[in-house]
Amino acid sequence: AQSVTQPDIHITVSEGASLELRCNYSYGATPYLFWYVQSPGQGLQLLLKYFSGDTLVQGIKGFEAEFKRSQSSFNLRKPSVHWSDAAEYFCAVGARSGGGADGLTFGKGTHLIIQP
Amino acid sequence: DVKVTQSSRYLVKRTGEKVFLECVQDMDHENMFWYRQDPGLGLRLIYFSYDVKMKEKGDIPEGYSVSREKKERFSLILESASTNQTSMYLCASRITTVMNTEAFFGQGTRLTVV
Repeated sequence: AQSVTQPDIHITVSEGASLELRCNYSYGATPYLFWYVQSPGQGLQLLLKYFSGDTLVQGIKGFEAEFKRSQSSFNLRKPSVHWSDAAEYFCAVGARSGGGADGLTFGKGTHLIIQP
Repeated sequence: DVKVTQSSRYLVKRTGEKVFLECVQDMDHENMFWYRQDPGLGLRLIYFSYDVKMKEKGDIPEGYSVSREKKERFSLILESASTNQTSMYLCASRITTVMNTEAFFGQGTRLTVV
C-alpha cells in the first residue's frame, strides 16, 4: 500500500524568505504525486502534480516541486513566500494502476506560518 | 469551472442523531470520496464510490455509511452520531478515464456532535 510522510508538522518562515516543504512517499512503482493547499476553513486546492516527464514541475502561486525517484521525495518549494501563503499543505500520492477508485493517500500535512 | 458542493459548511448535531452530509459534483466524475480531517491526522478516507450504487470502504468506515443513487451525488450518513465523530468532512471527486488527474474537493463540512 502507498503511504506519504511529511516530516514537518509546523514550519515558520519569514515573509520574503524561501520555502521548502518535505514529502516522502512509499509506493511500488512510479506514482502520481500531488501538492494541495488548504486555507483556514476551506477545502483543498491543487497546487501542482507530477505524473511523468520533467521531474521539476511548476504550479500555481509561484510554487514548484521536484520529483526525486532515488530519494522517494517530492519536495515543494517557493523562492519568496508571501503572508497569504500561510496555510496547511498536503502532499498526496495516487496509484498508477487501476481505475483510480481508491483515491489519493495524503500525508498528515505541514502547517506553514509566515512571520512578518 | 469544476465544482464540488457540500450542502453545509457547519453543522451541530446531538449525540445519537442520524446525520446526512450531502455532496454534489457537476463534472460527471465516476469516482467520489468522503474524507475526514482531524488535526495531526491529516485526511483519512472513510468511503468511496466508483459508480452509481457502488461503494467501497476506506480506512475508517466504522460508524458511517454512504449512498450514491445518482452519479452526481454522494451522501455520507452517520447512523448514530457520537462525539468522536466531531470533525471536518471533505468530499472529493475524480475522473477515472484519465489516470493522472487530481481529486477536486468541496469546501468541507465542519460537524460538531454535542
